[in-house]
Amino acid sequence: EAGVTQFPSHSVIEKGQTVTLRCDPISGHDNLYWYRRVMGKEIKFLLHFVKESKQDESGMPNNRFLAERTGGTYSTLKVQPAELEDSGVYFCASSQGRVWRNEQFFGPGTRLTVL
Amino acid sequence: QQPVQSPQAVILREGEDAVINCSSSKALYSVHWYRQKHGEAPVFLMILLKGGEQKGHEKISASFNEKKQQSSLYLTASQLSYSGTYFCGTEAGAQKLVFGQGTRLTINP
Repeated sequence: EAGVTQFPSHSVIEKGQTVTLRCDPISGHDNLYWYRRVMGKEIKFLLHFVKESKQDESGMPNNRFLAERTGGTYSTLKVQPAELEDSGVYFCASSQGRVWRNEQFFGPGTRLTVL
Repeated sequence: QQPVQSPQAVILREGEDAVINCSSSKALYSVHWYRQKHGEAPVFLMILLKGGEQKGHEKISASFNEKKQQSSLYLTASQLSYSGTYFCGTEAGAQKLVFGQGTRLTINP
């Protein structure tokens, strides 16, 4: 069974540019999450999809971030325009079933560097 | 509210034991433990559920004190492969995991 995949693995962009991150969850997983980890800090929740619907986007930093999940399959996270503080590793995770009693499968992450 | 992990970092010799603690200010439905090695995806270790049920690796030991809203992860007879950053994630009814700041574990030969 294929795991969660993310693309690209690394992205280096200038401040003000746009970047789109992609996540392909495990097939059949209705739940898809986006997280961000800044070096040395916690894995911070950004948002949660259930199928194609946004269940919770309380962790999204501001309206420069836009997440979509097409047809309940893959998801994209667009940052436009990027700022220096957006740098970090963006993880995607997927799971099946209720959040509180099921493990999440993480992707390898996209390391975003904004210069 | 972010759970608090302690210690922030641990250095052990191979074969030694370690305990990593996770404490929350909220009543919890479950505590999840993950390990992340540098540059890799966080990997699931264990879930401890309200009511006593546990799901995860047989070789990993952990406890969950619901009344104190605390969990501890026990790493015994540590191996070099145990090195990494350990995160606890807590679920307090909001349908999302809130992770602690991580505990960096280094195992030396």
